Amino acid sequence: EIVLTQSPATLSLSPGERATLSCRASQSVSSYLAWYQQKPGQAPRLLIYDASNRATGIPARFSGSGSGTDFTLTISSLEPEDFAVYYCQQRSNWPRYTFGQGTKLEIK
Amino acid sequence: EVQLVQSGAEVKKPGESLKISCKGSGYSFTSYWIGWVRQMPGKGLEWMGIIYPGDSDTRYSPSFQGQVTISADKSISTAYLQWSSLKASDTAMYYCAVGIVGATGGWFDPWGQGTLVTVSS
Repeated sequence: EIVLTQSPATLSLSPGERATLSCRASQSVSSYLAWYQQKPGQAPRLLIYDASNRATGIPARFSGSGSGTDFTLTISSLEPEDFAVYYCQQRSNWPRYTFGQGTKLEIK
Repeated sequence: EVQLVQSGAEVKKPGESLKISCKGSGYSFTSYWIGWVRQMPGKGLEWMGIIYPGDSDTRYSPSFQGQVTISADKSISTAYLQWSSLKASDTAMYYCAVGIVGATGGWFDPWGQGTLVTVSS
């Protein structure tokens, strides 16, 4: 099983600041990595797929990068609605998909 | 609009059986995989398994193989997740989601609203 490790567990920032979230895979997943956002009481929403492609309707302040084992989700300038939990997911090991444990982005 | 609508919250006792549903609309239900994801209270997302309604090809995460059954009825565009004997540890929110990568599902968008399952004596 491919283990995805996200860091930090919690990130405390203020609106307008830049957020950098990390996801590290236990083995290479090539570019087969996605990022999801989950707000309290809501279902997750796809933000980024194939490491760097924004899903439909996702604002340009969200960007993804990386390949192999190290990936980053960057939010260039935090809006109040961006404070949520973020998960990465790999699809390299079909059909044994896995998620990271999540990073909580909270208001400082 | 592509949409998944899940069945309502359930409260069950240990040992009881349960089948929850996920109805798709706004797209060709038989042409996309449907995945299931568990989220235990206050915890992260766990991948359970996936089904292709077109031919009912079903795959499970090793952690959930034998613990649940995933099925689909393409005539009514509905996927199911079922348990034959619930345990307290099955208490969780369960989400279904559309897999958007043709051959394998891959990425999941959109998601259903979730079904809360509570198992308590």
